[in-house]
Amino acid sequence: QITLKESGPTLVKPTQTLTLTCTFSGFSLSTSGVGVGWIRQPPGKALEWLALIYWDDDKRYSPSLRSRLTITKDTSKNQVVLTLTNMDPVDTATYFCAHTSRISSRYYFDYWGQGTLVTVSS
Amino acid sequence: EIVLTQSPATLSLSPGERATLSCRASQSVSSYLAWYQQKPGQAPRLLICDASNRATGIPARFSGSGSGTDFTLTISSLEPEDLAVYYCQQRSNWPWTFGQGTKVEIK
Repeated sequence: QITLKESGPTLVKPTQTLTLTCTFSGFSLSTSGVGVGWIRQPPGKALEWLALIYWDDDKRYSPSLRSRLTITKDTSKNQVVLTLTNMDPVDTATYFCAHTSRISSRYYFDYWGQGTLVTVSS
Repeated sequence: EIVLTQSPATLSLSPGERATLSCRASQSVSSYLAWYQQKPGQAPRLLICDASNRATGIPARFSGSGSGTDFTLTISSLEPEDLAVYYCQQRSNWPWTFGQGTKVEIK
């Protein structure tokens, strides 16, 4: 059974760096064809894809946020970490991590974490 | 960046009716399009992969069609539990993008 869970601060101040951890189970990020992505959703708004890391350490980023985003993986801990620098109130959103696999989901997001709401405010 | 435009913004139908949701891409995405369902307060759920393939465990009343720039999600007979926002997403080109969503209301 695949599960993912996001963790991190619920409140950050403007200009601070946000660090979110996605801890997962039921799959390995060293398995060929597997990836973990981050997606966010401002309150009442649409989903926005942020970043994705694959089993081979290939990394992809949203161009609009590329200068502020970093995604890394720790295969031994079954974790993926997302950092977003220079936080602004417009970054207030629920942040989701999600599993993707060439085999199980044709590279779409088939398992999602519950999401974590991050508020940016002084 | 590929822009996905969904219509209508809101769809209000009665149980048992047929729902037709549209997603139009600003350039061809071939068949690399998915549909997700997001119920209030929940994470999205994958419904359809590669335009027309139902994901595991998805009821047969959900179907997808289309290719290139025009795609459709059809719910053949609405159930009360289908109240949700539905998003399309493309993985043809980086960055992957989502549409703005269609809200399905049950009368």
